Amino acid sequence: AQRVTQPEKLLSVFKGAPVELKCNYSYSGSPELFWYVQYSRQRLQLLLRHISRESIKGFTADLNKGETSFHLKKPFAQEEDSAMYYCAIRSYGNNRLAFGKGNQVVVIP
Amino acid sequence: DAGVIQSPRHEVTEMGQEVTLRCKPISGHNSLFWYRQTMMRGLELLIYFNNNVPIDDSGMPEDRFSAKMPNASFSTLKIQPSEPRDSAVYFCASSLDSYSGPSSYEQYFGPGTRLTVT
Repeated sequence: AQRVTQPEKLLSVFKGAPVELKCNYSYSGSPELFWYVQYSRQRLQLLLRHISRESIKGFTADLNKGETSFHLKKPFAQEEDSAMYYCAIRSYGNNRLAFGKGNQVVVIP
Repeated sequence: DAGVIQSPRHEVTEMGQEVTLRCKPISGHNSLFWYRQTMMRGLELLIYFNNNVPIDDSGMPEDRFSAKMPNASFSTLKIQPSEPRDSAVYFCASSLDSYSGPSSYEQYFGPGTRLTVT
């Protein structure tokens, strides 16, 4: 079964400081990994996916198959980054997503 | 496009009452998902439909929960009878599950229904 672990529930960082959200997964095949974000009073939305290999809003995430990780990083946090972040996994050929429990990020001005 | 539409946005009910949550997926999408979000358990998949057919309902907590999708533009999640531990935010999401570019299979979420059972 596929599983995602996000160890820290709450992360507080100062504006301008780096932020890193950890995500580890367990899956025996070739997974697809995603980060979803939910800003206050907004819908859950896709932030980025590992196959795109792109930077969105300054965030990047690299899939490390050796460490089974997909950590989300941003070098300089902004106040608008305050949100709930979910890591999610999906196996190829299956459209079912399994989410981690989420990280609440608070950026302190 | 208004995106995925859910109603009601908030529901407060007493224990034992029946609760029905509604979802209208994005037009043209062929998969629909119901999730439950709680502080303790995060975001859990309850059930998903493909082409109006339930594919995986293994996440449905118990027989008190049922979901239907009578047509491509409407789905309901019903709890009968409701209990305080059902209090959560319930999300509906939809996706287009056929390869049609980078956004294929991407799930689009509704605003959620916040359910409180007293």
